[in-house]
Amino acid sequence: GAVVSQHPSRVICKSGTSVKIECRSLDFQATTMFWYRQFPKQSLMLMATSNEGSKATYEQGVEKDKFLINHASLTLSTLTVTSAHPEDSSFYICSARTQSARSRGAPEAFFGQGTRLTVV
Amino acid sequence: AQSVTQLDSQVPVFEEAPVELRCNYSSSVSVYLFWYVQYPNQGLQLLLKYLSGSTLVKSINGFEAEFNKSQTSFHLRKPSVHISDTAEYFCAVLSNTGFQKLVFGTGTRLLVSP
Repeated sequence: GAVVSQHPSRVICKSGTSVKIECRSLDFQATTMFWYRQFPKQSLMLMATSNEGSKATYEQGVEKDKFLINHASLTLSTLTVTSAHPEDSSFYICSARTQSARSRGAPEAFFGQGTRLTVV
Repeated sequence: AQSVTQLDSQVPVFEEAPVELRCNYSSSVSVYLFWYVQYPNQGLQLLLKYLSGSTLVKSINGFEAEFNKSQTSFHLRKPSVHISDTAEYFCAVLSNTGFQKLVFGTGTRLLVSP
C-alpha cells in the first residue's frame, strides 16, 4: 500500500515553544490530509482536514490558532503546535487520502507512524 | 452523521484460541467499513475493508470480518490468534456520499497470552 511518512516520531519541547510535525505521502499525491489526536487508551479524535492549496477545516473545539495546518503541496502537510503547553502533550497522527472523495469509488486512507509530543 | 460502537474495550484471550471483536455502526446513508490495527506508539495499519460485493472480507494474516447490514455490524474474527496479534483494533466507517470523514470506534485492545 501507499506510504505516509510522519516526522518526528517523538519530540520533547519546553512549554511556550512551538513544534512542527510533518506528514508526507511518499508515493502518491494526497489531495486531502487529516490530522488526529489520540489520548492514552482512547480513539482517534479528528482535529482538522486539510486540502492542498486551501485553508484547513477544523473540527469543533479545536483551536485553529493553536494548531496551525499548512498543506502547501500534494505530498506535504504540516501541523504546528504553537505556544505548546503540557496539556498539548499527546500522540498526533496524520492520514493521507489517495483520491477524491466523490469520484472513483471509495477513497483509502493511509496513516503516518504518529508523533509523540511531550511538553515539559 | 455516522457513529461506531466497539463495546469491548479489552479482550483477553489465550494463544491459538478464536477471537471476535465486535463492531456496530449507525448511519443514515450507505457506508464503507474498515478495521485498523495499531501497535504501541505507532500509526494505524489497514487490516481489512468492506466496500461492496461479498460481505465476508479477509486479511492476509488470518483475520476476517463480515458485513451484516440488517444488524449494522462488522465484527472481526480470527480462528486462532498469535501473541503477535496483541494490539489495539479500531473499527471505522466512511460514508459513501457527501464529504467523507473516517469515524472511529473507541478501540478494542486484544491481549493474547501464552
